Amino acid sequence: AQSVTQPDIHITVSEGASLELRCNYSYGATPYLFWYVQSPGQGLQLLLKYFSGDTLVQGIKGFEAEFKRSQSSFNLRKPSVHWSDAAEYFCAVGAPKEYGNKLVFGAGTILRVKS
Amino acid sequence: AAGVIQSPRHLIKEKRETATLKCYPIPRHDTVYWYQQGPGQDPQFLISFYEKMQSDKGSIPDRFSAQQFSDYHSELNMSSLELGDSALYFCASRGGAADTQYFGPGTRLTVL
Repeated sequence: AQSVTQPDIHITVSEGASLELRCNYSYGATPYLFWYVQSPGQGLQLLLKYFSGDTLVQGIKGFEAEFKRSQSSFNLRKPSVHWSDAAEYFCAVGAPKEYGNKLVFGAGTILRVKS
Repeated sequence: AAGVIQSPRHLIKEKRETATLKCYPIPRHDTVYWYQQGPGQDPQFLISFYEKMQSDKGSIPDRFSAQQFSDYHSELNMSSLELGDSALYFCASRGGAADTQYFGPGTRLTVL
């Protein structure tokens, strides 16, 4: 069964500092991996995704993530955080569409940005 | 670009009442997913439909039912509402060979 672990429930970084949010997954085959961001009371916005190919993927808002099969990780990074990045970030793993393609989410990491 | 539309955005019901949530997928998307996100929780998969047929089922209570219509919109029907049903309900849609789900803004259901 698919599962996702986000070890950090809360992270606080200073504006302009770099950011790394950790995500570890468990899946029997090559996973489809996603990062979504959710502002308070809002929907889920897709930041980036990995299906195959280049293990470093670029997303919106200056975010990137690196797939490391050996570590079963898909960590999200941003070189310089802006105050508007404060939100909750969810890592998710999905199966190919022929297996239903439902998403399994991690528990989320709440990012706080201090000025 | 058109996005997933959910209605209503907010809904307040009493215990034991019924509620119907609606989801309109992105045009030409044929698959719809429903997720429930409780307070402080991650979204949990409920059910999905592909071409109007149920394609997968998750932790959806028997009190809930859903369907997808000929125009691909979907409705989640919830009966005998309980306090624990208070949550944000997301719909997501996917189209064709793409494996990316796009989420709607959610319906916030409050059961009093």
